Amino acid sequence: QKEVEQNSGPLSVPEGAIASLNCTYSDRVSQSFFWYRQYSGKSPELIMSIYSNGDKEDGRFTAQLNKASQYVSLLIRDSQPSDSATYLCAVNPRMDSSYKLIFGSGTRLLVRP
Amino acid sequence: ETGVTQTPRHLVMGMTNKKSLKCEQHLGHNAMYWYKQSAKKPLELMFVYNFKEQTENNSVPSRFSPECPNSSHLFLHLHTLQPEDSALYLCASSQEDRTNQPQHFGDGTRLSIL
Repeated sequence: QKEVEQNSGPLSVPEGAIASLNCTYSDRVSQSFFWYRQYSGKSPELIMSIYSNGDKEDGRFTAQLNKASQYVSLLIRDSQPSDSATYLCAVNPRMDSSYKLIFGSGTRLLVRP
Repeated sequence: ETGVTQTPRHLVMGMTNKKSLKCEQHLGHNAMYWYKQSAKKPLELMFVYNFKEQTENNSVPSRFSPECPNSSHLFLHLHTLQPEDSALYLCASSQEDRTNQPQHFGDGTRLSIL
């Protein structure tokens, strides 16, 4: 079983819609969760981090964490064509001091004008 | 500008060559990382350095040899690589080797092995 799973997509949404990206993880003791955006040919760029159950909002982005169900999601409101990119979910699977960030394969988002 | 600079951006080498990838961060961070990103596969953590000390080697073949002379610089020395080593190699840094510290990435080196 993959440690961090994402649907590869592409997820296609019209401009102005809400894009919903989902991620599940296998290790129950995971503590830190991150969403990165990666444009083609570019480096991953951190857009959200979340550590506690519930929602965390930052501008048009909302991260949602449910540790009991082992999923984390990213909502993008008022989607823009410039949001078209691959979104990577990253999880730290352990409570010990070893910082081994595990990435999902990413979901490609396409926002249609 | 991400604050993490990688050189070269592209590298083509034969299987018998020796080359090095360089990473420099200007963020005042103390932890640095090497990742491998292959097409349609997740980012794979290769090495972690915290305050110049290696804290993680994720079962990486010995043909990849990291070096961290100080907290701002990280190298990846390459020798006798295989075609399957062709990938994007990303360097990242964070404040410390801690669970809640976000990592910031460089633009990567696109490596092609002939």
